[in-house]
Amino acid sequence: DTEVTQTPKHLVMGMTNKKSLKCEQHMGHRAMYWYKQKAKKPPELMFVYSYEKLSINESVPSRFSPECPNSSLLNLHLHALQPEDSALYLCASSQDRQGAQTGELFFGEGSRLTVL
Amino acid sequence: ELKVEQNPLFLSMQEGKNYTIYCNYSTTSDRLYWYRQDPGKSLESLFVLLSNGAVKQEGRLMASLDTKARLSTLHITAAVHDLSATYFCAVDQIQGAQKLVFGQGTRLTINP
Repeated sequence: DTEVTQTPKHLVMGMTNKKSLKCEQHMGHRAMYWYKQKAKKPPELMFVYSYEKLSINESVPSRFSPECPNSSLLNLHLHALQPEDSALYLCASSQDRQGAQTGELFFGEGSRLTVL
Repeated sequence: ELKVEQNPLFLSMQEGKNYTIYCNYSTTSDRLYWYRQDPGKSLESLFVLLSNGAVKQEGRLMASLDTKARLSTLHITAAVHDLSATYFCAVDQIQGAQKLVFGQGTRLTINP
């Protein structure tokens, strides 16, 4: 199983709403990531969790709040977003890059977020 | 800070032709990845290059890595329409936690 599953696939929310994006993997990977991708742009890293601890926060606004309840699950809680936050949010996972591991990221299908 | 640059950013070519996409990066790394993205879709892993001189081939695509020149190439042989997509290279910063930095992407259109 080389799948990363993201839900929902599409989300429309108002600026006062609170919503969450969810990501799940069952590959035994110990690193999980949130990326944001605007149209016609490369993915931009938001957060990295390694062994369920937040290891990288790329100065993301606090209206985005990540959570890693266990090694298989990653959530992104959304609150008071702005229209410019509309984008494709991609979750990814990887093995630890130590030893013989490749560090290859496996991406989910993404959650397309529209903020009205 | 690691920077990754691809060129060209746009490439329109005819079926049957050969071409190369280049990926340059600014700091030492020996881990480079190529991904494909179709419109509205996620990223599909194509190649993982983990050492100087690494060469990988899959069908009409071949990727190589020169860590001394900080350069990777993605070569397309006898292009077919199905290869139309956006191709990204990504480099691991290797210091600290794993962090992939993506190039801008090359939008490839292959015309019959």
